Amino acid sequence: QSVLTQPPSVSGAPGQRVTLSCTGSSSNIGAGFKVHWYQQLPGEAPKLLIFSDIHRSSGVPARFSGSKSGTSASLAITGLQPEDEADYYCQSFDSSLTGSKVFGGGTKLTVL
Amino acid sequence: QFQLHESGPGLVKPSGTLSLTCGVSGASIASSFWWGWVRQPPGKGLEWIGEVYHDGTTTYNPSLKSRVVISVDKSNEQFSLRVSSVTAADTAVYYCVRDTRSRYQPLHGGEFGTWGQGTLVTVSS
Repeated sequence: QSVLTQPPSVSGAPGQRVTLSCTGSSSNIGAGFKVHWYQQLPGEAPKLLIFSDIHRSSGVPARFSGSKSGTSASLAITGLQPEDEADYYCQSFDSSLTGSKVFGGGTKLTVL
Repeated sequence: QFQLHESGPGLVKPSGTLSLTCGVSGASIASSFWWGWVRQPPGKGLEWIGEVYHDGTTTYNPSLKSRVVISVDKSNEQFSLRVSSVTAADTAVYYCVRDTRSRYQPLHGGEFGTWGQGTLVTVSS
């Protein structure tokens, strides 16, 4: 059971806009800790996509954007493309106990 | 070009010790970043294991802390992971990562900007 909750799967047609959610609590996202997003293409290592809630990593298309509100964060992808089909993970920090970096369980994005 | 590369045995016996090394190329391990490990059991999500700074300072995931040691070898530009008393639950792809936070930034700062390609470690007799 992940501290950050992500929907297991999301799908969309090419050209559409999809939003991936990451829901936390008052000990992580709600406490103001930054949220980062990673894209894991099939058979590859994860790659940093969005850092500190809203900032795109170098080389990431502007179609990808991040946002945060309250105890949740979101990754939006506009103009969906077949190569966007991947697993997406959110990551933040949880201050319960002695504190730890934590990941969401991941969302599998399928491009129909 | 900056790269991380994991190496180590792909098979470890239950109750044994898992040992992996991450080589750093294209950058100095003595630069102002933390170096860490993240693992991913087959078909599952990611789990942060811990990090080390080049002065030897470490920080670990509380759930793994009793079994994990991360160390740095500056002369060989590499850092290592040891997980003791392994079980099948430790079977995973292990990634080495560079955390962008600087030495005195708190643990909640920084993100995993660079990842190695990962290495699968299976715990089985």
